[in-house]
Amino acid sequence: DAKTTQPTSMDCAEGRAANLPCNHSTISGNEYVYWYRQIHSQGPQYIIHGLKNNETNEMASLIITEDRKSSTLILPHATLRDTAVYYCIVRENQGAQKLVFGQGTRLTINP
Amino acid sequence: KAGVTQTPRYLIKTRGQQVTLSCSPISGHRSVSWYQQTPGQGLQFLFEYFSETQRNKGNFPGRFSGRQFSNSRSEMNVSTLELGDSALYLCASRSGLVLAGVGETQYFGPGTRLLVL
Repeated sequence: DAKTTQPTSMDCAEGRAANLPCNHSTISGNEYVYWYRQIHSQGPQYIIHGLKNNETNEMASLIITEDRKSSTLILPHATLRDTAVYYCIVRENQGAQKLVFGQGTRLTINP
Repeated sequence: KAGVTQTPRYLIKTRGQQVTLSCSPISGHRSVSWYQQTPGQGLQFLFEYFSETQRNKGNFPGRFSGRQFSNSRSEMNVSTLELGDSALYLCASRSGLVLAGVGETQYFGPGTRLLVL
């Protein structure tokens, strides 16, 4: 699996958009970008995933650059409950289905 | 649909004992994966089971084992517990229907927190 690079920590004001970057410069053509988050001591929660097109769901938007070497997770109106560690993972769709977690970004939403 | 459930949620054991953790996947899901999370090593893949067969294994000693039943429920066992086995053990399930091409998402349970004294 390709490796990802994320900032260790970020802060965002409540009500503002939180933009979390992720670099995955060695991603291959059949690897998807997945985002999960983990609120303290809970299991990781799936947020969104994509291959090359931008994606949006009720939780967030995922913007993937044209060369697919980086992506940004956008939480449009961050709330205090969005404080968590956010993991960006690249993974193939077939074969080994294990998720390889990095250290993630610790996002703190401030009131 | 109910999510992934794990029992027990908390467990305290002593060194040398063995422990069995249980995971019930989302209804209809046939694949179950196990992960270990520690402050030092982060989240690490243990193994995956699909249709009662281990399909993939992480880099853990043989003291860590698992199995899956015909109803897709899974158990993992750790024998001869060591202090370093203290961790949050997470189970994740996916449908297992994907053969190729479409992303298949894993959904995690709340975890079992194991403390080894």
